[in-house]
Amino acid sequence: NAGVTQTPKFQVLKTGQSMTLQCAQDMNHEYMSWYRQDPGMGLRLIHYSVGAGITDQGEVPNGYNVSRSTTEDFPLRLLSAAPSQTSVYFCASSYQGVDEQFFGPGTRLTVL
Amino acid sequence: SQQGEEDPQALSIQEGENATMNCSYKTSINNLQWYRQNSGRGLVHLILIRSNEREKHSGRLRVTLDTSKKSSSLLITASRAADTASYFCATDKSYGNNRLAFGKGNQVVVIP
Repeated sequence: NAGVTQTPKFQVLKTGQSMTLQCAQDMNHEYMSWYRQDPGMGLRLIHYSVGAGITDQGEVPNGYNVSRSTTEDFPLRLLSAAPSQTSVYFCASSYQGVDEQFFGPGTRLTVL
Repeated sequence: SQQGEEDPQALSIQEGENATMNCSYKTSINNLQWYRQNSGRGLVHLILIRSNEREKHSGRLRVTLDTSKKSSSLLITASRAADTASYFCATDKSYGNNRLAFGKGNQVVVIP
């Protein structure tokens, strides 16, 4: 099993550009989530999904969209990138709910 | 305010010594988890302790949970250089809103 995969590993955007961060898992997990990690801030929940077709907002959802059309994939879309979205983004999944989370390797995003 | 707040300190210890870090939280929980993050990597799940448990062991790790004080501690015994990492606690809420809240992390450096 590949576990949780994220692409790209690194990305540089200009203010106003849009992009999609990809996340996929091959463990048939129902629960998937996106976090951002900033220095001194820990991880903050952006959006999460408890199953295909179901998504909900986390702590810091503004500026981000998600969809969950399949169990395996949970892409995160930045609609109009801003410097405040410069961060490291982690995708995570679990079999069900908020028990043991499996994390991807992260995407380091810089917005100029 | 955020669930799961570690003592905001960095630990620097000699190999072979024990490392202890603490986490406090504010509302009732179902479970509390500890994660490790090596530099530049994703988080790795270490241990989960449920609200009806007081102590749990996994290899060189010992976790305690005191729900009356809303706090938890993680003890790493006989530390190794490979234990150098950041350690995060994460909590859910007892009313089960499918959200995991992470603390800001505690950096541990083990000197060989």
